[in-house]
Formats: sequence, structure tokens, C-alpha cells
Amino acid sequence: SQTIHQWPATLVQPVGSPLSLECTVEGTSNPNLYWYRQAAGRGLQLLFYSVGIGQISSEVPQNLSASRPQDRQFILSSKKLLLSDSGFYLCAWRVGGQPNEKLFFGSGTQLSVL
Amino acid sequence: QKEVEQNSGPLSVPEGAIASLNCTYSDRGSQSFFWYRQYSGKSPELIMFIYSNGDKEDGRFTAQLNKASQYVSLLIRDSQPSDSATYLCAVGSGYSTLTFGKGTMLLVSP
Repeated sequence: SQTIHQWPATLVQPVGSPLSLECTVEGTSNPNLYWYRQAAGRGLQLLFYSVGIGQISSEVPQNLSASRPQDRQFILSSKKLLLSDSGFYLCAWRVGGQPNEKLFFGSGTQLSVL
Repeated sequence: QKEVEQNSGPLSVPEGAIASLNCTYSDRGSQSFFWYRQYSGKSPELIMFIYSNGDKEDGRFTAQLNKASQYVSLLIRDSQPSDSATYLCAVGSGYSTLTFGKGTMLLVSP
């Protein structure tokens, strides 16, 4: 079966520290992968998506970056965290093609920048 | 810019009642429509999807789509306290990404 793994579940980091969040999928090949952020009281904001190894599209300019070193691995990084980077980070994976697509989310990482 | 609008709520209904959640979208070219349920502190869970005009039923859930009015809704029959959550509407427009609304909080009281 197809599954998506995301870790860690919670993370507390000081301002200015680096960040690395990892997401992996199993049971599929060449998936479309996404990073979303959900800030407190706000909607889901698409940060990055990737259609293949080394292919990254950025939706929002910021101090975050994403990489896809392997087919089923998607990494979200920052060199120096800001207070405004706090939020709930979600990795997602798209199943199927247009118009029958579906998007499934990992369990998320709650990031607090202090 | 594609937009998806939802009333933030909270929508309060008594146990056993029908909860009606609504969503409007701006892109007339939208092709796929989704409802996600999100419990506090958890990730969104896909509960319904609909691709063509009309109704789609799955258990206690019914999704309704009206493309002419650019309107999609979710009905929850026999609402239970466990249905209390935030419901996110999402719309796909034929590209690689979905556009999400900010969600409607539903509270079902025993």
C-alpha cells in the first residue's frame, strides 16, 4: 500500500537556527510531492512542489528551500529560522492525474521558533 | 488569482442534525473538488471528492457540486460529536496544485 512518512512530529528551534524536515513516500514511484504550511488561525499555504528528482517549484519567496534528492524523498530546509516560520508543516502527495487527482497529507510537523 | 471562500464558523449543530458546509470558488475552469476534515493538531484527512455536477453520497456524507454557480457543499447527516472539526474545501484547476479555503469549524453538541 501507499504511505507517506513525515518527521519529526514536533520541533522547537531557536531563531537563527537551521531546519531540516524530511518526508518520504512508499508504495509508488515518481510521485508529485508538496510542502504546505498552516500558521495558527490561517489556511494552508503551498510552499513548494516537485514533479520529479531535482525539480522544485517555489510558490512563496521566503527563507525556506526544498530539495528532492531521491524519487520518494522531499526535504524542507532553512539556513536561519525566523519567528514567522512557526507553523504546522505538512508534506503531501498527489495520487492520480487530472481531473481525477487526490491529495493525501502526512502527519505533519508542528514547528515552534522561539 | 484563484480563490476558495468558506465561512470560518463556528457552525454549531445539535447531535443528530444535518450539518451543511459551503464553499465558493473563483476559477471557472476548476475540475476537481475536495473536502478535508482536520481535527485540532492533526493533518487534513480527505473525506469526499467530486468531479462532476450533482450529488455524491458516501455514508453520512454528501458532496454537492454546481459548476454554474461555482459552488460546492458538504452535507453531514446524523451529525455526531466526533464530527466536530475544521472542514477544508479544496479545488483543482487542472494544474499541479490545489487551492484550499481557510476552513469552516463545525461543533456538534451532544
